[in-house]
Amino acid sequence: NAGVTQTPKFQVLKTGQSMTLQCAQDMNHNSMYWYRQDPGMGLRLIYYSASEGTTDKGEVPNGYNVSRLNKREFSLRLESAAPSQTSVYFCASSADKGTDTQYFGPGTRLTVL
Amino acid sequence: KQEVTQIPAALSVPEGENLVLNCSFTDSAIYNLQWFRQDPGKGLTSLLLIQSSQREQTSGRLNASLDKSSGRSTLYIAASQPGDSATYLCAVSNAGNMLTFGGGTRLMVKP
Repeated sequence: NAGVTQTPKFQVLKTGQSMTLQCAQDMNHNSMYWYRQDPGMGLRLIYYSASEGTTDKGEVPNGYNVSRLNKREFSLRLESAAPSQTSVYFCASSADKGTDTQYFGPGTRLTVL
Repeated sequence: KQEVTQIPAALSVPEGENLVLNCSFTDSAIYNLQWFRQDPGKGLTSLLLIQSSQREQTSGRLNASLDKSSGRSTLYIAASQPGDSATYLCAVSNAGNMLTFGGGTRLMVKP
């Protein structure tokens, strides 16, 4: 049982480049989330998907787009990367929104030069 | 806006000590509170989840309590071990499905 998997583990981009972070879960969870973790700022929610086919903005959505491809997969896209998006990105999933334990992936360390 | 604070930010104790980590939150209208552990360079591992109607949860040497009315939670670790060294994060879930995290307590247990 792999849980929540994320690819890639590390990525370096130049300002203005685009990329997609991939996330998949094998726990048949309905809800999925994208967070970023920055020193001194803690973990902040970027976007979430309460169920397949729906997405909603979190606390810091600017500069990002998401796609809930199917129940298993939830991707995060940076269309034009900026140095302020240098961070560690975590994907998480839970059985249902709001009331259940969230399970986290191992993270993607992104550096934007 | 919900704010979550964890005190202390860092803690160093000798092996075998019992210790308490504190978490406070400003908006008591929460669905639940979760405690996580994060090892350096790794993701978060869920330790305990307390629903808003509960007062405490226990798992092995860990016990978490919740006082929703005063906006406080504590994580008690009994008989600490070097393997407990990690950053401990608390997070609260409000309406709208958002988890708000505290800044964490970095724990070092010395052999």
